Amino acid sequence: GAGVSQSPSNKVTEKGKDVELRCDPISGHTALYWYRQSLGQGLEFLIYFQGNSAPDKSGLPSDRFSAERTGGSVSTLTIQRTQQEDSAVYLCASSPWMLAGELFFGEGSRLTVL
Amino acid sequence: ELKVEQNPLFLSMQEGKNYTIYCNYSTTSDRLYWYRQDPGKSLESLFVLLSNGAVKQEGRLMASLDTKARLSTLHITAAVHDLSATYFCAVRYNNNDMRFGAGTRLTVKP
Repeated sequence: GAGVSQSPSNKVTEKGKDVELRCDPISGHTALYWYRQSLGQGLEFLIYFQGNSAPDKSGLPSDRFSAERTGGSVSTLTIQRTQQEDSAVYLCASSPWMLAGELFFGEGSRLTVL
Repeated sequence: ELKVEQNPLFLSMQEGKNYTIYCNYSTTSDRLYWYRQDPGKSLESLFVLLSNGAVKQEGRLMASLDTKARLSTLHITAAVHDLSATYFCAVRYNNNDMRFGAGTRLTVKP
């Protein structure tokens, strides 16, 4: 597709379960970002990938969170042993490696932990 | 660490009025972005400001950047209901890192 694609769009899980969220960036975009948005709140930076460089993981809130990006394209955000406070919308964005550098966002994955 | 502060966080306006949203940031940067988010939707890029003194306008919205003051403004002229949304500013620093403000929730009433 032409835009950033995220799946699943909605995920309901039980506390303690692991979840995987997927992001398919715009073709050719070298930068990929994950953000978390809690209800009515701003965007919390989680992790950033740029090409083959080591990712910037400085925003990951705990070691239960991890992300990888395979082949410089698709990314997966994994949350282990989910907690209720992990409930949020997880937004993925990609950006081309050029001067303007605006982000193009996906529709998000809404995670609810019961 | 970069801090990005927006104010106000909530703004209720009447149609036809003007108002300005402010975005302050704490670290040197010459790239600032404004995004719009409608309820239940993702973020849409509005403006990209790449240099000191940059001004961009689209319809009733105008954005400006003062890198010396580390301040960007989003000015709304003669507001209409369709502008109701949450507006975020974002600052790029360390080449690639992008941090967002908390957002300004704008409601335009008839």
